[in-house]
Amino acid sequence: NAGVTQTPKFRVLKTGQSMTLLCAQDMNHEYMYWYRQDPGMGLRLIHYSVGEGTTAKGEVPDGYNVSRLKKQNFLLGLESAAPSQTSVYFCASRSGRERNTEAFFGQGTRLTVV
Amino acid sequence: AQSVTQLGSHVSVSEGALVLLRCNYSSSVPPYLFWYVQYPNQGLQLLLKYTTGATLVKGINGFEAEFKKSETSFHLTKPSAHMSDAAEYFCAVTLNTGNQFYFGTGTSLTVIP
Repeated sequence: NAGVTQTPKFRVLKTGQSMTLLCAQDMNHEYMYWYRQDPGMGLRLIHYSVGEGTTAKGEVPDGYNVSRLKKQNFLLGLESAAPSQTSVYFCASRSGRERNTEAFFGQGTRLTVV
Repeated sequence: AQSVTQLGSHVSVSEGALVLLRCNYSSSVPPYLFWYVQYPNQGLQLLLKYTTGATLVKGINGFEAEFKKSETSFHLTKPSAHMSDAAEYFCAVTLNTGNQFYFGTGTSLTVIP
């Protein structure tokens, strides 16, 4: 059981380049999330989705776009990367049946924008 | 919006000493609360979670947390620290709707031999 898988694990981008991070889960979860982790700031929610075809903004959505065309996949896009987007990105999923269900995390993507 | 505050971004304890990591939430309605642990270069792993009814919650690796509504707190404790407990610890909360999942800024635990 793979759980939550993120690709790629590492990436270096030049300023202005674009890229897409892929998150895939095999637990049939309704909810999926993208976070960024920066030193001293914890995990900040970028975007989330409560089901296939739906997305919503989190705390820090600017500069990012997302899509949830299939229930198992949640894509995070950077259209024009900036150095401020250098971070570690985590995807998570959780069941939407009850409020007290925990989130399951991927291993993270370390992105550097130069 | 609901939020969680973790007091102390860095905590150091001696091996065998009590571990206490603090988490306070801000909400007029008791939220659902979670503690996660992150080891270096890894994703987050659930330690424990609060569900209604049981104020003292036991988790993995000997950790436990007590939900105190009067203090709006959900502090994480472990009676005796091990070297393997050195990691980053995050408190998290869900909103009333249960859709969003917010994290505190984290506490880095160092265990001194």
